[in-house]
Amino acid sequence: QVQLVESGGGVVQPGRSLRLSCAASGFTFSSYTMDWVRQAPGKGLEWIAFISYDGGNEFYADSVKGRLTISRDNSKNTVFLQMNSLRLEDTAVYYCARARGRGWFDLWGRGTLVTVSS
Amino acid sequence: DIQMTQSPSSVSASVGDGVTITCRASQGIGNWLAWYQQKPGEAPKLLIYAASTLQSGVPSRFSGSGSGTDFTLTISSLQPEDFATYYCQLANSLPRTFGQGTKVEIK
Repeated sequence: QVQLVESGGGVVQPGRSLRLSCAASGFTFSSYTMDWVRQAPGKGLEWIAFISYDGGNEFYADSVKGRLTISRDNSKNTVFLQMNSLRLEDTAVYYCARARGRGWFDLWGRGTLVTVSS
Repeated sequence: DIQMTQSPSSVSASVGDGVTITCRASQGIGNWLAWYQQKPGEAPKLLIYAASTLQSGVPSRFSGSGSGTDFTLTISSLQPEDFATYYCQLANSLPRTFGQGTKVEIK
């Protein structure tokens, strides 16, 4: 079954860290670039990070640059999002998404909720 | 960075109505645009890519057009399951910016 499944979300205090995972199955993971997209409660979609096929290239939204790090392990069909120095405004549902063609997202996970709260 | 501006932010319509949503890019992007539908509590779903190509399985009442800076998503005859929020997204560029979203509500 072709799917993405995120995990690792939860409640965390400001300034702390969290690591999200996204497990892929049913397709050749290493043939796709992967991204993370988040959605704050009641707000729109915000693209936050990209990683190339082999993990050699990364790109971040300005809002998360220097605090969030995307990585992947093609041997485990998994993409990660390391989140450091978390802020209240990082509270959101975090989706991983498979990018196809020129960068449209044809496969999404169901999301994992990260709540930053003291 | 290229900015994506959607309008309107919300629209009220009835079943059977036609609806058009607009997305404008701050500079020319060719046809590198995608449209998504999102229902409450669900992940977004790809509807259209490359501005006008319908994703497999998406009903033909959805259509996209445009190139350069101005794009439209049209729903020809709204069905009950189409009441949702719609987003445009810049492709072929980083950051992969989304528009602010357009909520299609029942009148």
